[in-house]
Amino acid sequence: DTAVSQTPKYLVTQMGNDKSIKCEQNLGHDTMYWYKQDSKKFLKIMFSYNNKELIINETVPNRFSPKSPDKAHLNLHINSLELGDSAVYFCASSQRGGLAGNTIYFGEGSWLTVV
Amino acid sequence: SQQGEEDPQALSIQEGENATMNCSYKTSINNLQWYRQNSGRGLVHLILIRSNEREKHSGRLRVTLDTSKKSSSLLITASRAADTASYFCATYDRDDKIIFGKGTRLHILP
Repeated sequence: DTAVSQTPKYLVTQMGNDKSIKCEQNLGHDTMYWYKQDSKKFLKIMFSYNNKELIINETVPNRFSPKSPDKAHLNLHINSLELGDSAVYFCASSQRGGLAGNTIYFGEGSWLTVV
Repeated sequence: SQQGEEDPQALSIQEGENATMNCSYKTSINNLQWYRQNSGRGLVHLILIRSNEREKHSGRLRVTLDTSKKSSSLLITASRAADTASYFCATYDRDDKIIFGKGTRLHILP
């Protein structure tokens, strides 16, 4: 069984459209994340939720809105897509308590291309 | 802010040779982790080393940590084609947020 699953894996869409990426984890973790990886492979955290509560919200345009209906799901909705949004978006999860050294489990990524 | 910085950015070696990657970080840490990312895939956790440890082994992986120099190294011995991937170090900042370095792209030549 896939631990962290996200859909769709590939998404090609036009500028100005609104799209969503869904994520689910079956590990029983309390914390979920969205990361963005650009073309240079730089991985940057966007959001972090703990038990459905937003705990990290990096400097991300408010066109990006995460939604966590329950602690096993964290979806990412993007409004008015721009060319610069093209990237790979990774969902991830962990037990809370990074200072204790909890491992982060990643999904396989969603390749978003805005044309 | 960038916490971990890997060095080199890219590395190509012959199969069977050892590969060494380095990571430098800025602030004090409780632990440091290494992750691997195969092309087109998500990151996978490899190994964690705590701040009170100096060296740790896992199979063909050896990780060292020097807190005085704020640096860590990942050694992969007897490299294989399947080791071709990007390798990232990761640390937690004071807000308990994990931050990844820019990664080292390792290419194992046949």
